[in-house]
Amino acid sequence: SYVLTQPPSVSVAPGQTATITCGANNIESLSVHWYQQKPGQAPVLVVNDDSDRPSGIPERFSGSISRNTATLTIASIEAVDEADYYCQVWRSDSRQYVFGTGTKVSV
Amino acid sequence: EVQLLQSGGLLGQPAGPVKVSCAASGFDFRSYAMAWVRQTPGKGLEWISTISGRGDVSYYADSLRGRFTISRDTSNNTVHLQIWSLRAEDTGIYYCARGFPTWFGEARPFDSWGPGTLVTVSS
Repeated sequence: SYVLTQPPSVSVAPGQTATITCGANNIESLSVHWYQQKPGQAPVLVVNDDSDRPSGIPERFSGSISRNTATLTIASIEAVDEADYYCQVWRSDSRQYVFGTGTKVSV
Repeated sequence: EVQLLQSGGLLGQPAGPVKVSCAASGFDFRSYAMAWVRQTPGKGLEWISTISGRGDVSYYADSLRGRFTISRDTSNNTVHLQIWSLRAEDTGIYYCARGFPTWFGEARPFDSWGPGTLVTVSS
């Protein structure tokens, strides 16, 4: 099965930049989406299609992709950004949606 | 405004069935696929199933295939997830989410989510 590997945790000081990676073989050929989930709440889409930001998502959230790695970057991080973050893709060959292992961001 | 309302907490008996429901409003229900994603205690997000907007195609996670059935009712804009042969490890929060529109492929994100339904498996 296809596994999206994320670091379990990232700790960043307020105002600094958080970088969350999502690694998998040939991920650059897929569309990668990122979700934010705060405790006790449903996930929220923060980046779609590698690097697009849905309406209402702050500009400090950005996404990028390179060989075998997708990255979510949170610039000038704020306390309100403390949450779990998940990457996600669709595998057309196996007809499966796959979520990453998740990263807990502490500010 | 897209709204996904889910049923309250459900209690199911081991080896028994339970049905989770989600009522959609604020968009053309027949034009969007709908999905179910769960989160078991202390774990991450796990995709379970997606059904196309027309209801003619369903997708299931390979690891869960066989015990879950997704369905949709366009007469009242609802999507359901039937879980059969409940196991203790099925205890968790079940989210419905809006999936891909009919004019796009399946690679679209889950752009709106319901609040979740807590399913507890216990005798």
